[in-house]
Amino acid sequence: EAQVTQNPRYLITVTGKKLTVTCSQNMNHEYMSWYRQDPGLGLRQIYYSMNVEVTDKGDVPEGYKVSRKEKRNFPLILESPSPNQTSLYFCASSPASLPWYSPLHFGNGTRLTVT
Amino acid sequence: KNEVEQSPQNLTAQEGEFITINCSYSVGISALHWLQQHPGGGIVSLFMLSSGKKKHGRLIATINIQEKHSSLHITASHPRDSAVYICAVRSGNFGNEKLTFGTGTRLTIIP
Repeated sequence: EAQVTQNPRYLITVTGKKLTVTCSQNMNHEYMSWYRQDPGLGLRQIYYSMNVEVTDKGDVPEGYKVSRKEKRNFPLILESPSPNQTSLYFCASSPASLPWYSPLHFGNGTRLTVT
Repeated sequence: KNEVEQSPQNLTAQEGEFITINCSYSVGISALHWLQQHPGGGIVSLFMLSSGKKKHGRLIATINIQEKHSSLHITASHPRDSAVYICAVRSGNFGNEKLTFGTGTRLTIIP
């Protein structure tokens, strides 16, 4: 089954404790991205990647890191989480073949709480 | 002013009613997405449009590029259509694209 898998679904952690949220897709998609969703603000793009070893900042990259060493995986890393990073996070992927506007496939989300 | 504005923010209707959700944007775009987010949180892509109109079952999406406006219509609405509907626009060039989201329309269909 074609899917984007995020783990964990729920995570509670403390300020400053490094964490990684994993994202994996089995559709051989070039494009992958991370978003956070906050009440009243909607979804905002954190980072995106057009292909292996190519990553770019979105609208709200501060406090986050990503890597794209393999096509299928795009982990989101919080080196020193803070309470303002408490949010619902989504990973998404799509083909990037031209034309590049293709449907997005979303993971099920990770609800992160930083205390 | 947000680059992507949706209206209404909340909509409650009776089962069977015809539903319209609107999306206006202020930037030049390459494509517009309509997404559905269910109460459990998962997000599903409904449509991707660059022009004209698309139909899938009871859902219809239209876009007017000149007026920078898109609408999502639901015919014969059903309680299972209750969800948050999100409009998102793609802008920028290949390799440097950006996706901007509206804040969503919460739809509740009452049996």
